[in-house]
Amino acid sequence: KAGVTQTPRYLIKTRGQQVTLSCSPISGHRSVSWYQQTPGQGLQFLFEYFSETQRNKGNFPGRFSGRQFSNSRSEMNVSTLELGDSALYLCASSLGDHLGRYEQFFGPGTRLTVL
Amino acid sequence: AQKITQTQPGMFVQEKEAVTLDCTYDTSDQSYGLFWYKQPSSGEMIFLIYQGSYDEQNATEGRYSLNFQKARKSANLVISASQLGDSAMYFCAMRSRNGANSKLTFGKGITLSVRP
Repeated sequence: KAGVTQTPRYLIKTRGQQVTLSCSPISGHRSVSWYQQTPGQGLQFLFEYFSETQRNKGNFPGRFSGRQFSNSRSEMNVSTLELGDSALYLCASSLGDHLGRYEQFFGPGTRLTVL
Repeated sequence: AQKITQTQPGMFVQEKEAVTLDCTYDTSDQSYGLFWYKQPSSGEMIFLIYQGSYDEQNATEGRYSLNFQKARKSANLVISASQLGDSAMYFCAMRSRNGANSKLTFGKGITLSVRP
């Protein structure tokens, strides 16, 4: 089974621009979660999508948004980029079932640098 | 709110020896899951092991085992027979099994270096 894929792997943008990151989950997984990882704040939850609906949201400003398509692929958008948005953005997929183990499997991440 | 605490500084272990990575947690939920992930320098988070709060047995996955002490709210990872490829950051995480709160809460991580 193919793992979680994220594109692009690396991205350089300038302040004020916007960016879209893409995530394709493991086949059959309906839940996609996004995390931001920085040296200072560690791993922080952004949001989770399940069956095209946002199910949970972390404490990030409205500049961070996402969506999920009917094939479970997800995109994350950050508008009006700030220097502090430089981070590794990780996508994780899971079955999304509240019964059982529901472990999340992560993609390789997109490393975003804002200049 | 959930909280994961990993306070060990960088850990060093000799190849082929065992090492324990500490994790304590705090939650008001009765039903939850505990996870350990490994993050090599490449950045990808690799799932290692899972323990449910109602599981009576400690979880094991190959060379990884989880020493779960519910009353003490600790979930330490034990790596037996360390290998050079085990050098990485290790994150403890938890997730509530109540309702639709599906996010993983992570600790700050522990750096493990395996010496030849």
